[in-house]
Amino acid sequence: DADVTQTPRNRITKTGKRIMLECSQTKGHDRMYWYRQDPGLGLRLIYYSFDVKDINKGEISDGYSVSRQAQAKFSLSLESAIPNQTALYFCATSGGSGNIYEQFFGPGTRLTVL
Amino acid sequence: QKEVEQNSGPLSVPEGAIASLNCTYSDRVSQSFFWYRQYSGKSPELIMSIYSNGDKEDGRFTAQLNKASQYVSLLIRDSQPSDSATYLCAAHSGGYQKVTFGTGTKLQVIP
Repeated sequence: DADVTQTPRNRITKTGKRIMLECSQTKGHDRMYWYRQDPGLGLRLIYYSFDVKDINKGEISDGYSVSRQAQAKFSLSLESAIPNQTALYFCATSGGSGNIYEQFFGPGTRLTVL
Repeated sequence: QKEVEQNSGPLSVPEGAIASLNCTYSDRVSQSFFWYRQYSGKSPELIMSIYSNGDKEDGRFTAQLNKASQYVSLLIRDSQPSDSATYLCAAHSGGYQKVTFGTGTKLQVIP
């Protein structure tokens, strides 16, 4: 089945470490997104990309960077992790033949920064 | 002011009843609206999209849009315990290339 996958699903790291979260999709969608979700704050957009050469900052991009390696792959990096980056991270995609703003989410990565 | 607002709940309804979830948005030029269901610890799942004023039905779900009042709602008929989840409302504004999510309403269906 066409799908959105994320690796790793869980990650515990220490303050100051660099980590990368990866997202792959087989939906053939051009648009990809990274969100974080915190209790009471909802989903907040970190970065989004409309194609391989188009990368845009979201509302909370500080401390994060991304790479769009291919249409199907979009990675999120934390250059130097800090405890307040502990959250649930979701990758999402949109595009295709439907409404281009209908987003489909991966299973999420639970990140804990100690 | 939040762009998309929802009551956090929890909203408790008995099994078999109609659950009514509400959402307001602040940007008058918003054009597309979405409802997502999110089970605890899981990812959001798209359940309804609505673009025009009025009602849109899909099985037990009905989405309602009133652009004049800047109001979107989701009705769940014959609520089941498996409907217990957090429901996220989202809106896309024509002038922006992103979708804004509300913080969600937690629904509890009591057997």
